[in-house]
Amino acid sequence: KAGVTQTPRYLIKTRGQQVTLSCSPISGHRSVSWYQQTPGQGLQFLFEYFSETQRNKGNFPGRFSGRQFSNSRSEMNVSTLELGDSALYLCASSLGTGEKDTQYFGPGTRLTVL
Amino acid sequence: AQTVTQSQPEMSVQEAETVTLSCTYDTSESDYYLFWYKQPPSRQMILVIRQEAYKQQNATENRFSVNFQKAAKSFSLKISDSQLGDAAMYFCASHGEYGNKLVFGAGTILRVKS
Repeated sequence: KAGVTQTPRYLIKTRGQQVTLSCSPISGHRSVSWYQQTPGQGLQFLFEYFSETQRNKGNFPGRFSGRQFSNSRSEMNVSTLELGDSALYLCASSLGTGEKDTQYFGPGTRLTVL
Repeated sequence: AQTVTQSQPEMSVQEAETVTLSCTYDTSESDYYLFWYKQPPSRQMILVIRQEAYKQQNATENRFSVNFQKAAKSFSLKISDSQLGDAAMYFCASHGEYGNKLVFGAGTILRVKS
């Protein structure tokens, strides 16, 4: 099976812009989670989507939003970008059949905000 | 709140020798999984091993094994016959209080010397 894919792999934006990141899960996986990785804060959970519904949310401002499509692909949007949003954004997919299961990660999108 | 602690920021091991990475966690959950993920310089997060909390038997995957001490909330990773390709950042992770959210430790950089 193909793994989790994320596009784009690299992105450079300026403050105030918005950005959309995409994630395609492993075939058959219905849950998609997003994480932000920074040197200062480490890996932090953003949100999880399952069957097109947000099932869980981390402690991030409303500028961070997401959605999931009927084919389980997910997008994450960040509006009004700030310098502190520069990070590696990781998407992970899992079967979603249980409340807790094993997550498999994509290669990440490196976002740089100038 | 759920916490995962990796007390070793950096470890070194000679090729072909054994190294143990430490992890402690704190959870009020009764049903959860614990994970070790490896993140090489490519930044791709790779699942190394998984432990189901209700299983007393320690998980093993080839050269990788864990020492799971549930009462002590300890979950260490042992890498036997270390190889140059094992050099990476290793993250310990546990399910959070709600759903599929993963809580990560700060990571341990493993260096393998030839």
